[in-house]
Amino acid sequence: EAGVAQSPRYKIIEKRQSVAFWCNPISGHATLYWYQQILGQGPKLLIQFQNNGVVDDSQLPKDRFSAERLKGVDSTLKIQPAKLEDSAVYLCASDKWGGTYNEQFFGPGTRLTVL
Amino acid sequence: KNQVEQSPQSLIILEGKNCTLQCNYTVSPFSNLRWYKQDTGRGPVSLTIMTFSENTKSNGRYTATLDADTKQSSLHITASQLSDSASYICVVSADTDKLIFGTGTRLQVFP
Repeated sequence: EAGVAQSPRYKIIEKRQSVAFWCNPISGHATLYWYQQILGQGPKLLIQFQNNGVVDDSQLPKDRFSAERLKGVDSTLKIQPAKLEDSAVYLCASDKWGGTYNEQFFGPGTRLTVL
Repeated sequence: KNQVEQSPQSLIILEGKNCTLQCNYTVSPFSNLRWYKQDTGRGPVSLTIMTFSENTKSNGRYTATLDADTKQSSLHITASQLSDSASYICVVSADTDKLIFGTGTRLQVFP
């Protein structure tokens, strides 16, 4: 079974520029998550999709971040314009129902550096 | 406030030694507790998932315990290997399946 794919793996941009990340979840996983992980901290949920609908985006800074999952499969996360504090690893995860709980599988992440 | 705290923040051990990582949580209502291993530059990988009724679960050299009464969990690593060097994250799932992440314990295993 192929894992969660993300690209690019690394991105360096200057502040005020825009950037986009792509995620392809595990086939058949209906739920997709985007997390932000700042160095030395645990992941913070940005947005959760169920198929192509948003379940939770309460912690997404909507003035600069946007995400979409148009066909209920791939997803993109965009930042425009980027700030220095956006430097972090952006993790995508998808999950399947295990009968008692949802087990999340994470991608390798995209490391963003904003200069 | 739902919170997950881990200790120690970092740990250095010699190859072959055992170690135990701690996790305390204040999450309600509780659904399950997970331990993830995160290698540098990689996404977290699930080690164990325990529900309320389980008090111990093993995955190879990794053994997790859960005390739902005291809201504490531990992850014990037996006969550590160099490949165990990673961050270990304790994650508690609330009844809504929302995950609350700890900040992790960074483990370094030296030869």
